Formats: sequence, structure tokens, C-alpha cells
Amino acid sequence: EAQLVESGGGLVQPGGSLRLSCAASGFTFSGYWMTWVRQAPGKGLEWVANIQPGGSEKNYVDSVKGRFTISRDNAKNSLYLQMNSLRAEDTAVYYCARDRRGYDYYYMDVWGKGTTVTVSS
Amino acid sequence: QTVVTQEPSFSVSPGGTVTLTCGLSSDSVSTNYYPSWYRQTPGQAPRTLIFSTNTRSSGVPDRFSGSILGNKAALTITGAQADDESDYYCVLYMGSGIYVFGTGTKVTVL
Repeated sequence: EAQLVESGGGLVQPGGSLRLSCAASGFTFSGYWMTWVRQAPGKGLEWVANIQPGGSEKNYVDSVKGRFTISRDNAKNSLYLQMNSLRAEDTAVYYCARDRRGYDYYYMDVWGKGTTVTVSS
Repeated sequence: QTVVTQEPSFSVSPGGTVTLTCGLSSDSVSTNYYPSWYRQTPGQAPRTLIFSTNTRSSGVPDRFSGSILGNKAALTITGAQADDESDYYCVLYMGSGIYVFGTGTKVTVL
């Protein structure tokens, strides 16, 4: 069974940095796009970033461009999100998800349980 | 900035039918946006319901169906059950690797 487990969340001061990790198991991690999605307290879901299987193509929502970096280590079956220059509005639960894409489909099909990031002084 | 709009809330009676919609501020939603739908209960991770407009994800009961209605994507729940109470989100694929989530609809079954 495909599983994703996030870690690395915590409390950080504005302007600080944090690195999230997502450990994948139960599927061939190196064959899939992967995505980060976040949810601020009491708010809806927001797509944050995704990365191509080989790591060469990365996409970001405008609000995190230049501050967040998505990466992966296929040998370790792991996805990462390096978050710098954090702001209060980055406070959220961060989910990693498997990103399925093909000739006629684009969607997320496997989700982790999330890790909480709180940006506050 | 692209805005994907959903109804804030819907109430449905047990056994009833409800249709949620997903619209774009700047265009009509078509199959070319590969609409997908997800449900989420408080404190839980999202669960995938529908992808590519109308394909049910593995294990999703057939009382959930997706379609295009007019210029919007739609999710219909037929024969609503108490445990269908959730937040429902659509997602549109905008091209160039970019997804946009809808604003979400809170469904109450009572």
C-alpha cells in the first residue's frame, strides 16, 4: 500500500527557515511527480509546489517563489520542502501528495497526514 | 490571479442528492482543466474522489459522480449519507505544472 509520512514541522520565528520531509513507501517513488499542499488554520487547501520524477522540473505557487525550494532524493524515497524567509501567513498544515499525470489525467491520489508549521514570534 | 470558486456550503437531507460546482473567474471549466475532487473531514488528510472530470478513484462509491455542467465542473452526491458530511474541494490543472484548488464547499447532512 502506498504511504506518505511527513515530518519536520514545528514553531519558527518570522524570517526563519524550516525543512520538511516526506517519506514514501509502497510504490516506486522515482516514477512519480510529487506535490506539497498546505492548509492554513480554518482555511482551504492550497497547492504549493511540485517536482518531476527526476527532479529537473519544479513548479511553485507565486506566494512562495524565491523562498521555498522543493527537492527529492529518489535513493532515499524522500521528498523535501526547504522553507526560508518564513512569514506568519505560511502557518499551515503541510501535506505531501503523489501527483499523477498522464495523457488525460492530472490529480493527486495518495496523501500523507500532514505536518504542522507555525510561524510566530 | 486565478480564482476557482465553489459554493461555501450546502445542506442535504439523508438520502437526498446534492450537486456542488467549481467555476473559474476567467474562463469556462472544461475537461481540458482535468477537474478533480477531494473530500476532507476536520483534522484529516484529503481523500481523492474523482479525477479527469468523471473518473472515480479506487474505492469511491458510485454515488459520487463528476461532470461538466454548463461552464463549471460538478460533483454530485446521490443518496447522501451521514458520513458524507465533509469539506469538498475541486482542483483544476492550469497547465505548466500548476494546480489551483477551489475555495471549498462544506456539506452538511441533516
